[in-house]
Amino acid sequence: ETGVTQTPRHLVMGMTNKKSLKCEQHLGHNAMYWYKQSAKKPLELMFVYNFKEQTENNSVPSRFSPECPNSSHLFLHLHTLQPEDSALYLCASSRGSGGPSSYNEQFFGPGTRLTVL
Amino acid sequence: QKEVEQNSGPLSVPEGAIASLNCTYSDRGSQSFFWYRQYSGKSPELIMSIYSNGDKEDGRFTAQLNKASQYVSLLIRDSQPSDSATYLCALNDYKLSFGAGTTVTVRA
Repeated sequence: ETGVTQTPRHLVMGMTNKKSLKCEQHLGHNAMYWYKQSAKKPLELMFVYNFKEQTENNSVPSRFSPECPNSSHLFLHLHTLQPEDSALYLCASSRGSGGPSSYNEQFFGPGTRLTVL
Repeated sequence: QKEVEQNSGPLSVPEGAIASLNCTYSDRGSQSFFWYRQYSGKSPELIMSIYSNGDKEDGRFTAQLNKASQYVSLLIRDSQPSDSATYLCALNDYKLSFGAGTTVTVRA
């Protein structure tokens, strides 16, 4: 148990559906992240929020829309996804971001396994 | 994103042996690294961080950073079947850059 929770753990959706992924951290951290993990590929950073402000959008298609209402909660809104978007979506948090220090030590939630039909 | 290369494996070692995992990186200015362990179907778990040249030991794990040769390694001593997992190397800069991971299998 890392102190980062994600819901739902599994999600199956059609290409025309709208769904949201939720992440919550109980560690008092200030930075939160969304990653995509596909089979046999490195972790892909999608978005970074620092003190609830977006500081990184790694050229993610607009069908993925993040929301960070406060430093403890992070959402990923999904709409009109493609089958190639099927992957494990991981949320992480750290004390801070933006420098090569221990503040960047990231702790991951259990992930949401997404399948797009 | 800065490049981090790992041998994908699989690396198979007998129980009780030393597992040696390596990671190379392209940016000579990189300062620090993390090692994450990921069990099949689970999320990555931080197991080691190293911020300076040399060795850092934590229990059965030793991380080694060699900035001159631009590699970082992880040694697992007295390997156990519970060490069977994928190990991810991450370059710690203003964001993390992950390698693809090395899969380790410890044979009982």
